[in-house]
Formats: sequence, C-alpha cells, structure tokens
Amino acid sequence: QKEVEQNSGPLSVPEGAIASLNCTYSDRGSQSFFWYRQYSGKSPELIMFIYSNGDKEDGRFTAQLNKASQYVSLLIRDSQPSDSATYLCAVKDNDMRFGAGTRLTVKP
Amino acid sequence: DTGVSQNPRHKITKRGQNVTFRCDPISEHNRLYWYRQTLGQGPEFLTYFQNEAQLEKSRLLSDRFSAERPKGSFSTLEIQRTEQGDSAMYLCASSRKSYSGANVLTFGAGSRLTVL
Repeated sequence: QKEVEQNSGPLSVPEGAIASLNCTYSDRGSQSFFWYRQYSGKSPELIMFIYSNGDKEDGRFTAQLNKASQYVSLLIRDSQPSDSATYLCAVKDNDMRFGAGTRLTVKP
Repeated sequence: DTGVSQNPRHKITKRGQNVTFRCDPISEHNRLYWYRQTLGQGPEFLTYFQNEAQLEKSRLLSDRFSAERPKGSFSTLEIQRTEQGDSAMYLCASSRKSYSGANVLTFGAGSRLTVL
C-alpha cells in the first residue's frame, strides 16, 4: 500500500515567521510531488510541485525534495494569517495519493 | 472555461438508496479523478480515467461504487445501496500535463453526501 505521511498538526506560527511542513512517502519509485492548500470548506488548490532533488522556490514558498530519504517539505516564509489552512502533500505514481494534511494556523 | 463542475453540490439520502454524482472536467483535460474526503482527512483516491478508459480503481473501494466516463468528457460516480459510512465529500479533479511534464490536478467544489 503506497502511503504518504504528514504530521496532522495543528502547527501554529506567529505572523512573519517561517512555517515548515513535512511529508514522507513510502514508494521509492515516486517521481512527482505536490503541495496543495485547502481552506476550510473548500477544495484543494495547487501551491507548487517538485520532481527534482533540491529546492524549488515560488514567491514565499519553497519546496524541498530528498528522494534518498523519501522526504519532501514545504517552507512558507513571512507567514500571513491568510496562509492559515490545511496543507496536503501528494505523490504521483499512476494515480495521485494524498497525505492526511497538516493544519497550519498563523497568528497575527 | 469554468473549471471543474460537480453536481449536485449536496445530496441527502436514506440508507439503502442509490446516488449518482456528475463531474464535468476542464475541456482540454484528458485525465479525470474521483476522490472521497472525510473531515480531518486528506482526499482518498477512488479511481481515475484517461479519456474514456478507467485505468485504476482503489482496492479499498467497495463494489457498490462504480464510475464511468463514456465519451471521455464528463464522468459519473454511482454509489449503490448507500451506507452511513459513505457520508463524505466526493471530489472530482481533472488534469493535463504541464509544460514540465508534471500532472497538475484541478479540483471541483465537490459533492457532499449525507446518508441518514
């Protein structure tokens, strides 16, 4: 059974801090990794994806991938209250598998 | 392009009844996915289609669940003999490969099922 594991949180950070979200996956052959954000009562929306080892930056967001450790993370710099949401890690093989999500709260 | 459309948005039914949900994907997307999500959990994969072909179905999925995508456009998800445990949000997503080759999913607003 392919698995994607995330700390469920909640993770609470003050406004302006860096939020660090982590994800591990079980299938060593996985190639593509995604971070989605889901606001309460809404559908998931893509933040960014990564498929090469290392870092990928997009504005205040940085995704980090380490395939040897089967680990992917998302850093959110200068966290804002509007970043408060559940962050879902997803791994694509033939299908797309999601973790349970980490709930982030950014306090003003 | 209005995004991924799902109908109905809410469905309340009695245990034992059949329900059907419809998903209209983004027109140029050839892949279509169904997920189920309960409170506090991530989306649980149910099945996906590439064009009209159903390529994978979760082994966890009861045979009461069936999905079709007859012409490679819209899809339907039917649940027969509903049970209270089927109460969840049913999410549809569609995708195409991005310029980088990654398979980016766009989700619909979901269909919420309540089984009494």
